Amino acid sequence: DIQMTQSPPSLSASLGDKVTITCQTSQNINKYIAWYQQKPGKAPRLLIGFTSRLVSGIPSRFSGSGSGRDYSFSISNVESEDIASYYCLQYDNSPRTFGGGTKLELK
Amino acid sequence: EVQLVESGGGLVQPGSPLKLSCAASGFTFSSNWLNWIRQAPGKGLEWVASINPDGSSTYYPDTVKGRFVVSKDNAKNTGYLQMNNLRSEDTAMYYCATTSPPLYWGQGVMVTVSS
Repeated sequence: DIQMTQSPPSLSASLGDKVTITCQTSQNINKYIAWYQQKPGKAPRLLIGFTSRLVSGIPSRFSGSGSGRDYSFSISNVESEDIASYYCLQYDNSPRTFGGGTKLELK
Repeated sequence: EVQLVESGGGLVQPGSPLKLSCAASGFTFSSNWLNWIRQAPGKGLEWVASINPDGSSTYYPDTVKGRFVVSKDNAKNTGYLQMNNLRSEDTAMYYCATTSPPLYWGQGVMVTVSS
């Protein structure tokens, strides 16, 4: 199974900040990485697929990049509604695997 | 509108079986992957099972392989997760989700394994 190393586990930001989360995979996943947002008590919400493709309706302050084994996800101009946990997911190989998650908090 | 509704959760004793269902509507169920993902209380997301559109291939991580069986009935627009020999570490919220990567998710169903 492909291992996903997501960092940092937690992040503290002020409103308007830019934050970046990274995921390193144990093997090349050919850009098949997705990023999810999850708020307490809710199902995860898909934000980005195939490294950088924004899902319809997701604000452009969310972005993704990367290739090979190294990927990143950023939120520019953090807003209060962005306070949540974020997860990466590789869907190149089965079984799919998630990163450990990043909890974004307000400073 | 796409809808996925899980059912069948509850409190069971260690070693017991339990079968979850996922009723789908609003999209072509027979053309899409069905996935089960769980989240233990206060923990991260864990992928537990996938089945391809026609049900001919299934995938599991080592943590549930040999104990969990995923299936789908395309005629009934319903997916299933048969969980056998449940352990305390299987206690979690279980979500069904569809497409790849999963775009549509159910609201989740809680499974508690405890004596």
